[in-house]
Amino acid sequence: QKEVEQNSGPLSVPEGAIASLNCTYSDRGSQSFFWYRQYSGKSPELIMSIYSNGDKEDGRFTAQLNKASQYVSLLIRDSQPSDSATYLCAVINQAGTALIFGKGTTLSVSS
Amino acid sequence: IAGITQAPTSQILAAGRRMTLRCTQDMRHNAMYWYRQDLGLGLRLIHYSNTAGTTGKGEVPDGYSVSRANTDDFPLTLASAVPSQTSVYFCASSDRPGSRGKHDGYTFGSGTRLTVV
Repeated sequence: QKEVEQNSGPLSVPEGAIASLNCTYSDRGSQSFFWYRQYSGKSPELIMSIYSNGDKEDGRFTAQLNKASQYVSLLIRDSQPSDSATYLCAVINQAGTALIFGKGTTLSVSS
Repeated sequence: IAGITQAPTSQILAAGRRMTLRCTQDMRHNAMYWYRQDLGLGLRLIHYSNTAGTTGKGEVPDGYSVSRANTDDFPLTLASAVPSQTSVYFCASSDRPGSRGKHDGYTFGSGTRLTVV
């Protein structure tokens, strides 16, 4: 059973809209959650981390965590064409030794 | 510029050959990791090292070996390459070993695109 699940997309939104990306995880003991952005042909880049239930905002990005539902999401406000990328959700594994990644959601923002 | 350097950037390798992918970081991070990324399968952990002198197996370790002689270097060796090892390989590091408490995110290298023919 895969530990981190994401819809593969593609998710298409018009410029200026809110993009909502979702992720579920299987390990109830997980404490650390991350969102990475990966442009085609490039390496993953950390954009958000979240550890506590609720919302965490950083500029146009908001991460939301609900540990009871084992759900973490990423909202991108005022989406720009430059936000078009694959977004990877990641959770610390049960052994606490490494990040487990979802397969990613591809976001396309049209101008 | 601080970060992770991977070499080579890309390589075409004959099946059965031995190959070492190099990874060097200058951030003095304790932990280092090797992932492979394949279309439809995402990023999968191959091996990790929480500190110099120690290594551990990840999700897909077969056919790969690693060593961690010092803090900065974490090479990945394919002893006898096979076509199924065709992939993009990413090295990553973090400034403390994994824990089930708060954990800082990883910094990734730019990757090595390996094709085994």
